[in-house]
Amino acid sequence: DAGVTQSPTHLIKTRGQHVTLRCSPISGHKSVSWYQQVLGQGPQFIFQYYEKEERGRGNFPDRFSARQFPNYSSELNVNALLLGDSALYLCASSLDRGNQPQHFGDGTRLSIL
Amino acid sequence: EDQVTQSPEALRLQEGESSSLNCSYTVSGLRGLFWYRQDPGKGPEFLFTLYSAGEEKEKERLKATLTKKESFLHITAPKPEDSATYLCAPIQGAQKLVFGQGTRLTINP
Repeated sequence: DAGVTQSPTHLIKTRGQHVTLRCSPISGHKSVSWYQQVLGQGPQFIFQYYEKEERGRGNFPDRFSARQFPNYSSELNVNALLLGDSALYLCASSLDRGNQPQHFGDGTRLSIL
Repeated sequence: EDQVTQSPEALRLQEGESSSLNCSYTVSGLRGLFWYRQDPGKGPEFLFTLYSAGEEKEKERLKATLTKKESFLHITAPKPEDSATYLCAPIQGAQKLVFGQGTRLTINP
């Protein structure tokens, strides 16, 4: 079975631009979460979506937004990019909102010039 | 404020030399804890879930244990392929994971 897939794998943007990152969860998984991982640090929680609704939000500015589609795939949008947004963006899926393990994709490496 | 601290930050061992990694935390609404392994350029790979104090889980050369305030990942007779960054993540309600900064483990042959 396919794992969590994310696209694109790498992206280079300039300050002020916006970006859309995409995630396809494991088949049958209804919950998708997004994390930001800066080099040398652990992932930091951004959003959780379940059944197309936002169920949790981390301490990130309103420039960050996301949505989940009827097929449970998800998009993360970031507007007005800053140099500090350079990071690995990880998507994780799980069966539902319970304590089942979250399974991660290999992320999108975003570089801001 | 929620806080997760992993120690040591980096650990270098010889092949076959056993050791333990520590994850201590102060997290409100704790519902359990995950351990992950992360290789360079990859996403975290799920290893274990621990739900209650006293619980233990084993997989090959790894064993994870949990107390009320910390978790340990014991590595017995490690091999070079065990080299990776190991991340712990307490589960804080509604699947919000609070990750530590990780322990970078290197096993020399």
